[in-house]
Amino acid sequence: AQSVTQLGSHVSVSEGALVLLRCNYSSSVPPYLFWYVQYPNQGLQLLLKYTTGATLVKGINGFEAEFKKSETSFHLTKPSAHMSDAAEYFCAVSDRGSGNQFYFGTGTSLTVIP
Amino acid sequence: NAGVTQTPKFQVLKTGQSMTLQCAQDMNHEYMSWYRQDPGMGLRLIHYSVGAGITDQGEVPNGYNVSRSTTEDFPLRLLSAAPSQTSVYFCASRTGTFLQADTQYFGPGTRLTVL
Repeated sequence: AQSVTQLGSHVSVSEGALVLLRCNYSSSVPPYLFWYVQYPNQGLQLLLKYTTGATLVKGINGFEAEFKKSETSFHLTKPSAHMSDAAEYFCAVSDRGSGNQFYFGTGTSLTVIP
Repeated sequence: NAGVTQTPKFQVLKTGQSMTLQCAQDMNHEYMSWYRQDPGMGLRLIHYSVGAGITDQGEVPNGYNVSRSTTEDFPLRLLSAAPSQTSVYFCASRTGTFLQADTQYFGPGTRLTVL
């Protein structure tokens, strides 16, 4: 089974500062990679995904992520944090072969300090 | 287009009681799934379905049953609730069974407490 590691269960940044949320996966074959955001008392919403092609992926709300095969990583970044970015962020993967099972990381709670 | 809907939003059960969590989608998605979310553990897949009449187990299936009689509905049944099943449950759906990278759409969740 896949495993997904998100370093840092809580991250705090100042408004306007860089956001960096880390995600590493375990498989030797690169899976499909996803970042989801969850606002309080809501379901998950897709931010972005990597399937194939360009390794720098742009998503909604100014977020982007870069797939690095050599580092088995898919870190999420945003150049300038906004108060509305405060939420829980989840990295997820699914195998390219079966594709029916998704594996989520444990999540990173982002706090934006005014 | 309501997307993915879940009922109820909140539920309190006593140990040993049974109940069904409802999930419906109006996007004609073939793939539907159930997750539970626990603090510090992220989301874990319970069961999934790739189409009407076809279901399979995920990472944590014990204590839960599912069936898929229609494309739209994918109920999750707890036959004998246990305190360890206290969690937030999310239903999700996506297009296609072989397009694994398709976007999953999540419902708003059901918060279940088992006393």
